[in-house]
Amino acid sequence: GAGVSQSPSNKVTEKGKDVELRCDPISGHTALYWYRQSLGQGLEFLIYFQGNSAPDKSGLPSDRFSAERTGGSVSTLTIQRTQQEDSAVYLCASSFSGQGALGEAFFGQGTRLTVV
Amino acid sequence: EDQVTQSPEALRLQEGESSSLNCSYTVSGLRGLFWYRQDPGKGPEFLFTLYSAGEEKEKERLKATLTKKESFLHITAPKPEDSATYLCAVANQAGTALIFGKGTTLSVSS
Repeated sequence: GAGVSQSPSNKVTEKGKDVELRCDPISGHTALYWYRQSLGQGLEFLIYFQGNSAPDKSGLPSDRFSAERTGGSVSTLTIQRTQQEDSAVYLCASSFSGQGALGEAFFGQGTRLTVV
Repeated sequence: EDQVTQSPEALRLQEGESSSLNCSYTVSGLRGLFWYRQDPGKGPEFLFTLYSAGEEKEKERLKATLTKKESFLHITAPKPEDSATYLCAVANQAGTALIFGKGTTLSVSS
């Protein structure tokens, strides 16, 4: 596709369940980011991948959150033992290599996660 | 700690009524200041990057300016289609993430 694709677009899960969110970046973009957007809050950085370098995980809020990126392309964000405070829109973005966060980031439409 | 504060939180304008949105930032060393537009239910869309004080960039009815402490997004003769949330962000020191403000929600009525 032409843009960043995220799936599912909506996810409702029960408290305590694990969830996986998927991101397909733009082809050729080696930088990939996950952000979280809660109601009334700004976008909160979660994790950054750049090529084969070690990811910057400094934004992950707890050890219940993890992410991987396979083959330098698709990324999966996993939240274990979900809590109600995890309810938010999870946004993925990608950008062209070399500039990291300084480059123009292309965002997907997000996954709206609701924990009940 | 790097921080971005946007004001006002919400702004209502009549079509053609020009105004400005403010973004104040605190960083130990500016590596870039970014403006994004976000429509409801969508991800942010890139507008501008500014790197140094005095720099200006324009796109249609939008002009972004930068000083050492803040950035302004000037909207000239806005139209209803300019209604959106405008987000300001700075790059962190490692260059691995953007630190976003909470945004200004602009509503333009005809």
